[in-house]
Amino acid sequence: GQNIDQPTEMTATEGAIVQINCTYQTSGFNGLFWYQQHAGEAPTFLSYNVLDGLEEKGRFSSFLSRSKGYSYLLLKELQMKDSASYLCAALSNSGYALNFGKGTSLLVTP
Amino acid sequence: NAGVTQTPKFRVLKTGQSMTLLCAQDMNHEYMYWYRQDPGMGLRLIHYSVGEGTTAKGEVPDGYNVSRLKKQNFLLGLESAAPSQTSVYFCASRDPGGNQPQHFGDGTRLSIL
Repeated sequence: GQNIDQPTEMTATEGAIVQINCTYQTSGFNGLFWYQQHAGEAPTFLSYNVLDGLEEKGRFSSFLSRSKGYSYLLLKELQMKDSASYLCAALSNSGYALNFGKGTSLLVTP
Repeated sequence: NAGVTQTPKFRVLKTGQSMTLLCAQDMNHEYMYWYRQDPGMGLRLIHYSVGEGTTAKGEVPDGYNVSRLKKQNFLLGLESAAPSQTSVYFCASRDPGGNQPQHFGDGTRLSIL
């Protein structure tokens, strides 16, 4: 599968902004997804990027640079409930399956 | 609005026992997937299906078999359970099309003693 790298853990303060980075192999790129997963729960879809640029959805935004094989998820006005694991996933060469990174565990502190 | 339903939610097995995990989706999705999630390893694809009657191997298929006899169901079988298969198993489904997200079930926590 594609090598997808993201930091293991991050900590940020309530009300702040945090950026979670993700790098992936550019060959056969078909699109990049971000998911949120709270402890003990299923992953839930946050965003999708296939073209370069920023996609904004309320407090969450996702950025993609296809030439650099790089994406980030930006979380603004952090809330305690944003403490979760954030998963970066690239659509496989075949277009059938998502290949997931190992996830970034975000802890939001008061 | 059930979405993706997995049964059972929890199960404890002894080494060598067999069992089947059931995934059912009511969204008429073509594609279905089985993942396992282990601490520090992220979600790893076991098998997937792109339509009724079809299956394909993912990243970690050994020790598992699958069947997709009906479009809405995707079964994951463990023929002879091993402690290394202790994990949380997630089923997911999606429509074709690059921008279609995967929808996940709530997971099955499986322990092999």
